[in-house]
Amino acid sequence: DTGVSQDPRHKITKRGQNVTFRCDPISEHNRLYWYRQTLGQGPEFLTYFQNEAQLEKSRLLSDRFSAERPKGSFSTLEIQRTEQGDSAMYLCASSHETGTDTQYFGPGTRLTVL
Amino acid sequence: DQQVKQNSPSLSVQEGRISILNCDYTNSMFDYFLWYKKYPAEGPTFLISISSIKDKNEDGRFTVFLNKSAKHLSLHIVPSQPGDSAVYFCAASEVNDMRFGAGTRLTVKP
Repeated sequence: DTGVSQDPRHKITKRGQNVTFRCDPISEHNRLYWYRQTLGQGPEFLTYFQNEAQLEKSRLLSDRFSAERPKGSFSTLEIQRTEQGDSAMYLCASSHETGTDTQYFGPGTRLTVL
Repeated sequence: DQQVKQNSPSLSVQEGRISILNCDYTNSMFDYFLWYKKYPAEGPTFLISISSIKDKNEDGRFTVFLNKSAKHLSLHIVPSQPGDSAVYFCAASEVNDMRFGAGTRLTVKP
């Protein structure tokens, strides 16, 4: 399977705990994006990398959210001190640096904060 | 700020008929538009796209129309099949800034 993969698929945590999600993009894609999706809404952009450089992070939801892509391949999204409002689907997408921006999504990680 | 809007949360059509899903946007700087399909418990799947220099793009049963002056795009599915039942998101992009609508749930009845 050469699509975008995400791990874990589901995460249940208690309020105040830290969580980390992983995304492996399509291998030849150098751009990687994180989104959050809540019920009844479309994906909401969080941050994006081109290779290892994080080119946009102003739309991360708070300073509790951070993302890394240290070697320009897989990426991690961390949420510190989780809150119940963080419960959502976290989606990763990747694309190739061309003239268009067709992003291909992974299956998502569903986070439930109790 | 909702720069991309899908005003119909749901649509139901009969198998074999045409499905028309609509999307409006407000940012005239968007230059690339996409439709994604989403099944439950899966990520969005890319369906079809159109560049702002075109007004129509066709791929099999799926056609996307873009009306830049009206800032409106639509997705036509013909003929509709029960397997097309899913949530459809439109998206608009400007230099790696992609915004999504809230989605339209399409139900195709046999």
